[in-house]
Amino acid sequence: GAGVSQSPSNKVTEKGKDVELRCDPISGHTALYWYRQSLGQGLEFLIYFQGNSAPDKSGLPSDRFSAERTGGSVSTLTIQRTQQEDSAVYLCASSPDREYQPQHFGDGTRLSIL
Amino acid sequence: QQPVQSPQAVILREGEDAVINCSSSKALYSVHWYRQKHGEAPVFLMILLKGGEQKGHEKISASFNEKKQQSSLYLTASQLSYSGTYFCGSASYSWGKLQFGAGTQVVVTP
Repeated sequence: GAGVSQSPSNKVTEKGKDVELRCDPISGHTALYWYRQSLGQGLEFLIYFQGNSAPDKSGLPSDRFSAERTGGSVSTLTIQRTQQEDSAVYLCASSPDREYQPQHFGDGTRLSIL
Repeated sequence: QQPVQSPQAVILREGEDAVINCSSSKALYSVHWYRQKHGEAPVFLMILLKGGEQKGHEKISASFNEKKQQSSLYLTASQLSYSGTYFCGSASYSWGKLQFGAGTQVVVTP
């Protein structure tokens, strides 16, 4: 079946612009996660959704970052007034919302801020 | 808090063995292991749960010491396809976010 789909795969934008990153999880997966991976680094947790609500937003680095999820499916991560340090690969993962489930990752969006 | 992985990198010849360690300062419900090849998404390998249960890969084994909050991943008789960066993810609850280590780069040569 279809895996986690993210779009766009690459995004280049100028400093100060807003960007929206999209994640389409595996059908039926009610848990959705956003992570960020800077060059050569590990995965940094950003936010976790259970259905449409976000019980854990603790990883969002600043109030320029926000995310929403509608219909228990597609999620959008928005970064306002982008800065160069926002450059990274943004990865989305989904899983069934039960205990001890593996997270299935999308291919990510590579964001470059000029 | 981010778990600590060691070593940072390892180079193996095909057929050799390696161990990757992951330790956390927090009590853990589970440890997840993923492998990421360059330019690709991380791929799930296995989950180790409190109580010793494992879920995952057939050819790669791992252990989880709950008292020490440590997990080790064992690459046995390594194959070229084992090359990649291995990440451990620690979970402080039975579901929810993972805190990932910085990764261990594994290179398997012919």
